[in-house]
Amino acid sequence: KQEVTQIPAALSVPEGENLVLNCSFTDSAIYNLQWFRQDPGKGLTSLLLIQSSQREQTSGRLNASLDKSSGRSTLYIAASQPGDSATYLCAVHGGSSNTGKLIFGQGTTLQVKP
Amino acid sequence: DTEVTQTPKHLVMGMTNKKSLKCEQHMGHRAMYWYKQKAKKPPELMFVYSYEKLSINESVPSRFSPECPNSSLLNLHLHALQPEDSALYLCASSGGRRNTEAFFGQGTRLTVV
Repeated sequence: KQEVTQIPAALSVPEGENLVLNCSFTDSAIYNLQWFRQDPGKGLTSLLLIQSSQREQTSGRLNASLDKSSGRSTLYIAASQPGDSATYLCAVHGGSSNTGKLIFGQGTTLQVKP
Repeated sequence: DTEVTQTPKHLVMGMTNKKSLKCEQHMGHRAMYWYKQKAKKPPELMFVYSYEKLSINESVPSRFSPECPNSSLLNLHLHALQPEDSALYLCASSGGRRNTEAFFGQGTRLTVV
């Protein structure tokens, strides 16, 4: 059974810092991994999708990496801003269950202080 | 257009009421999903429709009844809910193949009184 873990659960940093969010998964047979952002009481916004054959994806100040063999992904946020404050969720798609459903980690709640 | 639209945004219903949540996408996606999210928890999958057919039911109680009238629409019919069913209900869609991006709606905040 696929399990997804995110560390840390919460993170508080001053504005301008570079930071890394971690995501690990137990079954390396994934189809892709997706990072989302969620503001309180809102839906999920897709940030980056990494296909299983890819090593990283970049979008603006965000860079996500994927190491399938070790079951890890990281989300790097450069020059953090107060507007980056939100909960960040990683989700893996696929795995040995072969159902096509997304399996989420518990999320990392980020606070960027001005 | 990467938008998934959910209505209503907020819903308060009594335990004897019948209501429906609606979800719409026009991205040509062939897979649509219902998720339930409780406070400070990740989304939990409820149902998956693939090519308008129910492909996954995560042992959801029968008081939740999904419906996919066509490839763009997804409904969730609610009847005789319990207060513990209060949550944020999220709809999502994806291309239907396992290597495509999933997009979520803004959710319906449901309160059962």
